[in-house]
Amino acid sequence: NAGVTQTPKFRVLKTGQSMTLLCAQDMNHEYMYWYRQDPGMGLRLIHYSVGEGTTAKGEVPDGYNVSRLKKQNFLLGLESAAPSQTSVYFCASSPPGQGFLSSYEQYFGPGTRLTVT
Amino acid sequence: ELKVEQNPLFLSMQEGKNYTIYCNYSTTSDRLYWYRQDPGKSLESLFVLLSNGAVKQEGRLMASLDTKARLSTLHITAAVHDLSATYFCAVANQAGTALIFGKGTTLSVSS
Repeated sequence: NAGVTQTPKFRVLKTGQSMTLLCAQDMNHEYMYWYRQDPGMGLRLIHYSVGEGTTAKGEVPDGYNVSRLKKQNFLLGLESAAPSQTSVYFCASSPPGQGFLSSYEQYFGPGTRLTVT
Repeated sequence: ELKVEQNPLFLSMQEGKNYTIYCNYSTTSDRLYWYRQDPGKSLESLFVLLSNGAVKQEGRLMASLDTKARLSTLHITAAVHDLSATYFCAVANQAGTALIFGKGTTLSVSS
């Protein structure tokens, strides 16, 4: 099993450009998440999904959109990139359990380092 | 609003000595997670603590949870160089819609 994979690993964008980050998991997990990590800030939840066809906003959703057309994939889109979106983006997934976020740990992908100039 | 505070944010440790990292959170939660992150790498799950009084141990690391005090501790016994990393605690909010992360504690072990 590959676990959680992310594409691409690195990307440089110019202000105003758009791009899509792809997250894929082969563990048949129901729940998937997108986080951003900035120095000294920990991780902050951007959007999440509790199943195919469903998405919801997290702590910092502005400027991002997501889609979950297939259970194994969770896409994060930036329609018009801004320098404030320079960050490391992590995708994670977890199996369902006793409730949302369950008792099981989240499994993280390797991250995508995005620079917006 | 749930807030998670870790302290210290940086810890310089000597090999062989014991240390403790603290994770305080501001509102009721029954799920607390500890993660490790090596530089430039992803997050690795260390512990999942689900109830008051929960204690889990793995090697030189031991985590505990006191939900009444809203406090978790990560205790390091006889530090070794391999433990150098950044450690995050994360708490599930009441609505179950997010994990709120602390800012992380960066550990550096020297001989």
